Amino acid sequence: DQQVKQNSPSLSVQEGRISILNCDYTNSMFDYFLWYKKYPAEGPTFLISISSIKDKNEDGRFTVFLNKSAKHLSLHIVPSQPGDSAVYFCAASAGAQKLVFGQGTRLTINP
Amino acid sequence: KAGVTQTPRYLIKTRGQQVTLSCSPISGHRSVSWYQQTPGQGLQFLFEYFSETQRNKGNFPGRFSGRQFSNSRSEMNVSTLELGDSALYLCASSLVSGGSKETQYFGPGTRLLVL
Repeated sequence: DQQVKQNSPSLSVQEGRISILNCDYTNSMFDYFLWYKKYPAEGPTFLISISSIKDKNEDGRFTVFLNKSAKHLSLHIVPSQPGDSAVYFCAASAGAQKLVFGQGTRLTINP
Repeated sequence: KAGVTQTPRYLIKTRGQQVTLSCSPISGHRSVSWYQQTPGQGLQFLFEYFSETQRNKGNFPGRFSGRQFSNSRSEMNVSTLELGDSALYLCASSLVSGGSKETQYFGPGTRLLVL
C-alpha cells in the first residue's frame, strides 16, 4: 500500500524555467510533509518542509504547496539551475510516526 | 561536525550469506533509522533505534534485524540473503526522534549486491 506516490519517475526542464514536482498521498492523518533531494552516491538531504496547518512554505528558489482537500503536495523550483538535477523524494508523517517516502522523481535540468 | 557515516560503502554477497552494515550517527544524535532504497520503491523504512531500543519497525521479514550500541552507533544485519535484497541501504540520524518533525540526516548508504 503506497501511501505516498510520486507518479512521475522523471522530469526534464530547461535551465531558467520552473520545475514542478508532484506528490500525492492517501493517509488523511499525515500532518507533516517534507522534500528531500538526492545526488548519486550521496544520501538524501533535507530540502524543505510544510506543516498541514499551512498551504505554502517558501525558501529561496524552493516553494512547497499543500492542497489538503486533494491530498496533493508540490515542489516548485524557480528558476531551475543545473545543480538542481537530482532525485527528489517527498515524504510524510502522522504525529510521531515514521516518515513514509514516495518513489522519487529524477529531475534533469537541461542547459 | 562530521556527518553520518556508513561502512562499507559497497558489498557483494551471494544468496544464503548474511551481512552486517554499520552506521555512525552525527555526534550527539541518539536516534538512528534504517531505510532500503530500490528502483521504483523509493525509501522503505526498516526500523528505528533510540537509546539502544528499537522504537519503530517497518514491514520487513525477520531476516532483517538491527541493534544500537551505547554510543548510538547502529548495525543492521540481513541473514539468508536473497537476490531481492540487492539495494542501497541508508541510515539516518536525528537528535531525538526519527519520526515526523525532526530533520533526519542521511549517510551516503551501503550498496549491497546479492548474486
